[in-house]
Amino acid sequence: GQNIDQPTEMTATEGAIVQINCTYQTSGFNGLFWYQQHAGEAPTFLSYNVLDGLEEKGRFSSFLSRSKGYSYLLLKELQMKDSASYLCAVRDKDDYKLSFGAGTTVTVRA
Amino acid sequence: DTEVTQTPKHLVMGMTNKKSLKCEQHMGHRAMYWYKQKAKKPPELMFVYSYEKLSINESVPSRFSPECPNSSLLNLHLHALQPEDSALYLCASSLQHLGGLAGGSSYNEQFFGPGTRLTVL
Repeated sequence: GQNIDQPTEMTATEGAIVQINCTYQTSGFNGLFWYQQHAGEAPTFLSYNVLDGLEEKGRFSSFLSRSKGYSYLLLKELQMKDSASYLCAVRDKDDYKLSFGAGTTVTVRA
Repeated sequence: DTEVTQTPKHLVMGMTNKKSLKCEQHMGHRAMYWYKQKAKKPPELMFVYSYEKLSINESVPSRFSPECPNSSLLNLHLHALQPEDSALYLCASSLQHLGGLAGGSSYNEQFFGPGTRLTVL
């Protein structure tokens, strides 16, 4: 199984940078996903890491360290529309199931 | 077409009713999923279908009955639900129910539908 931990809430100012950390303990690892979920809407895929290092995609970057069981999602040049919940999800290498963290609610203030 | 659609968007039902949730995708995905999400909680996996066959049932009560009529459609039949079953029900699909594909050509990420907000009275 998976044990996934991420902060409950974060607040930042428009134009700033926010880093959302995710730690996990897993019996088998086959990749880590970050999803964005606006209130009442479906989660949408943001990024995927399976090897150590940084993946950059526009204003969003995600980092993975498998030895530390650690990932972060970096949101740059924050915009009001980035206010949402950000879910860290780990895929199991044996049954390929996704286990989600509880999500981090990011509030962007003007 | 790169989306997963779900109907209805909202559903209110009594504990004696029988209803169905529907999910559809036309991305050629061969894996489809049902998740349940309570407010301020993460999605919890209920069922996985792979190539139209049920491959994972996360010990879901029998009052929830999934069905995959073909590779594009996924249903969830509901009968004799309890008020605690009220939640957002999310459908998702992915290319296959596997890890990332060889050569990194696909992350095999799951695409989620907008969900059905279910209220059981």
